Parts: sequence; structure tokens; C-alpha cells
Amino acid sequence: ETGVTQTPRHLVMGMTNKKSLKCEQHLGHNAMYWYKQSAKKPLELMFVYSLEERVENNSVPSRFSPECPNSSHLFLHLHTLQPEDSALYLCASSQGVAGGSADTQYFGPGTRLTVL
Amino acid sequence: GQQVMQIPQYQHVQEGEDFTTYCNSSTTLSNIQWYKQRPGGHPVFLIQLVKSGEVKKQKRLTFQFGEAKKNSSLHITATQTTDVGTYFCAGPSTSYGKLTFGQGTILTVHP
Repeated sequence: ETGVTQTPRHLVMGMTNKKSLKCEQHLGHNAMYWYKQSAKKPLELMFVYSLEERVENNSVPSRFSPECPNSSHLFLHLHTLQPEDSALYLCASSQGVAGGSADTQYFGPGTRLTVL
Repeated sequence: GQQVMQIPQYQHVQEGEDFTTYCNSSTTLSNIQWYKQRPGGHPVFLIQLVKSGEVKKQKRLTFQFGEAKKNSSLHITATQTTDVGTYFCAGPSTSYGKLTFGQGTILTVHP
């Protein structure tokens, strides 16, 4: 399954570092998502982009900054993170646009982030 | 806001036993989707149910959508070790076409 790719697959960073997660979808989809998955917690939706516009931000701390330069690419810029931000960060895409019915989401393999 | 609850949270079975996970929504859903996440992997779409009372089968997996379109179930017959993983249900949210995921059921199959 290579429809949605994410890099890097693993990332270890200190609390003062700045890093970026990258997601690319090759499916021609219009919507892209960032999720956080922590151990023993449900999937937490962080951001939703539809046609390159951010349509939802679920009260995510400002140390997480998304960027969607085009419909195929999505970034998550990280700075001054906390150890509790360690988690699996999943990118997903779907066909639909904002306001449409919820289409099937296709997930990338995720980036396993560890904050020291 | 909309809530999607799944039970049980964990299930341990012996290989060959059956397994069922249940999903309940606080609101009526236009459709329900099921995903599977293998250990160390990412969620992968399994199926979508749309009609009230719909039943769909995929080999040993049977998916049901309740008559009121507020609940759903996934039943696995004669589990195999390849069935291990976390099974999520997800329903459309009222905003922006996003999905609300249940917390998942973690299935362990002992050989």
C-alpha cells in the first residue's frame, strides 16, 4: 500500500528541536488529515485540510503547525515539543471535500515520534 | 458532540474461537466504516455499511449495521493468528465530512 507515504518513519527529538513531518498522497484526493495515536488512546484528529484549506483544528497546541502547500502534500511542523507529545502521528487522505459525506480514509504508515 | 463507543476494549481468544466487537454511536449515522490496525501498522479500511440492517461478509468476517443506524458489530468466525490487531469503527461527524473513530478493540489470538 503506497497510496499515502510519510517521512520520516521514526523520529527522536529533543524538546528544543524543530522538525517537520511530511505526508504525500498519490491518490488524487481532496482532503488530508493529521491524527495523533498515543498508547492506549483512541485516534485523535488534529487537523483537517480540504482543497488545501484548513477546515478544522481540534484545539491542538501551537507547537504543532500544519502546512498544506498543495492537495498532495501535508506537513506537520514541530517545535518545542513535550515528552507527552511522543506518539504515532498518522496522515490520512480521502476523496471528499469539506461538507461532503465522510469518505473512506487511507492512512499512511505513520511517523513514530519520541520526544526526549 | 458525537461519540462513538466500542466494546470490549480488549479481547483475548484461543485460535479457532469466535470474536465480536460492538460499536455504538450517540447519533444516527449515514454510514459506518470499519478499519483494522495490525500491531506496528496503520489503520486499513475494511468495509463500509450504509443501509439500515445491512449485513456484509468478507470471508470469516461478518459486519452488521443496526436497524436504527446507531450501532454496528464485527464478528470473526474461527479466529486465526493473522486476525490480531485493533479493530476500529468510525462514523461520519456532522462537520466537514470527517470521521469519528471509536477507541478500538484490541484482539489477541493465542495459538
